[in-house]
This record gives sequence, structure tokens and C-alpha cells, in this order.
Amino acid sequence: EIVMTQSPATLSVSPGERATLSCRASQSVGSKLAWYQQKPGQAPRLLIYGASTRATGIPARFSGSGSGTDFTLTVSSLQSEDFAVYYCQQYNKWPPLTFGQGTKVEI
Amino acid sequence: QVQLVESGGGVVQPGRSLRLSCTASGFSFRSHAMHWVRQAPGKGLEWVAVISYDGSNTYYADSVRGRFTLSRDNSKNTLYLQMNRLRPEDTAVFYCARDVDVASGWLDYWGQGTLVTVSS
Repeated sequence: EIVMTQSPATLSVSPGERATLSCRASQSVGSKLAWYQQKPGQAPRLLIYGASTRATGIPARFSGSGSGTDFTLTVSSLQSEDFAVYYCQQYNKWPPLTFGQGTKVEI
Repeated sequence: QVQLVESGGGVVQPGRSLRLSCTASGFSFRSHAMHWVRQAPGKGLEWVAVISYDGSNTYYADSVRGRFTLSRDNSKNTLYLQMNRLRPEDTAVFYCARDVDVASGWLDYWGQGTLVTVSS
């Protein structure tokens, strides 16, 4: 199974600042990497698929990059509604689908 | 609009069974693979199982294989997760999620989740 590792576990950022989240796969997943956002008490929401394609309705301040084993999610200017937990997930070699352990973005 | 509504969660004793349902609307249910993903309290996301668009294939996480059974009724737009021999470590919010198509592996819509608590 492919192990996904996210860093940091917690990221403290001020509103308006840039946030950069990392995700590493234990083997290459090509570009088959998705990012999800989860707010407290809510279901995850798809942000990015194909490593860099924003899902429908996702603001342009969210961007994804990377391929192979190293990926990045960047939020260019954090808004109050962006403080949440973010998960990466690979879908190159499955089952099982595997998620990273999450990065919490806090104020 | 796409909607996924889970039901069937609750408190159950270890070793007992529970069946979760997920009712879909707003899209062609029979055209999509469907997944269950769970989240233990305060923990991350764990993929549980997937069923193909026509129900002919199912795959499970090692942690639930042999105890959980996934099925679907395309005439009722409903997904079912039969959970047997439940363990305390199965305590989690269970989400059903739509695969973007027949089996790409990324999940574009999620239900609100249903909580399963396994405790004596």
C-alpha cells in the first residue's frame, strides 16, 4: 500500500498570508493526487484533483503542484474560512485509496 | 444538486451488527462507483470500501475485509454497508462518497456522515 505523509502536522498562519502544505508518497503516484479540505463537524470537500486541477467552485487562491512523490497545496492568501484540516489522497494504485494524516491550518 | 445522505448509525455492542445506508440524489447513481470512508474521533480519514457502478465488484480495506459487506440497489439509488462482528476500533463517522466516475479513485461528493459507536 502507498503511504502518504503530510507535513507539517499543524501550520500557524495569519489571515492574508500564504500557506504551503506538503504531501509525500512512499512511491510514485504520477499526478493522481487529490486534496480535500475538512472543517470541524463537516464532511471533507474536494479541492484539487490530478495534483493541480481545481474542483468546481474552488477559489483560485487554492493551487496544487507536484508529481511523482512530492506534492504541494498552496493557499495564496488565507481567508478566515480557509482555516481547516487538509488531506492529500493518492489514487494511482488502489485499492486501497490512501490518505495522508492531515495538516491543520490554524490562526 | 448532488446529495448523499447516510443513515443507520448508532450505538452497538462489540460483536453485534449494524447496516448503514446512503441514499443518493441529483445524479445518475448507476454511473458511478461509490465508496465508504470513515474517521475515528479526532483522527484522519480511512478508506473502507468501494463498489463498482453496477455492483459487480467490491474491494475492502484489510481492517474490515471479511466483516463488512458493501452492496447497492441502483433502482433505489441506495448504497448499503453491512457491518458484522463490530469492534470498538470501528467507532467512527462513516461517510459515503461518490467516485467521479466508474472507478477513478477521487471523490467529488461526500455525505454528511453517520456516527457508529461500538461500546458495551
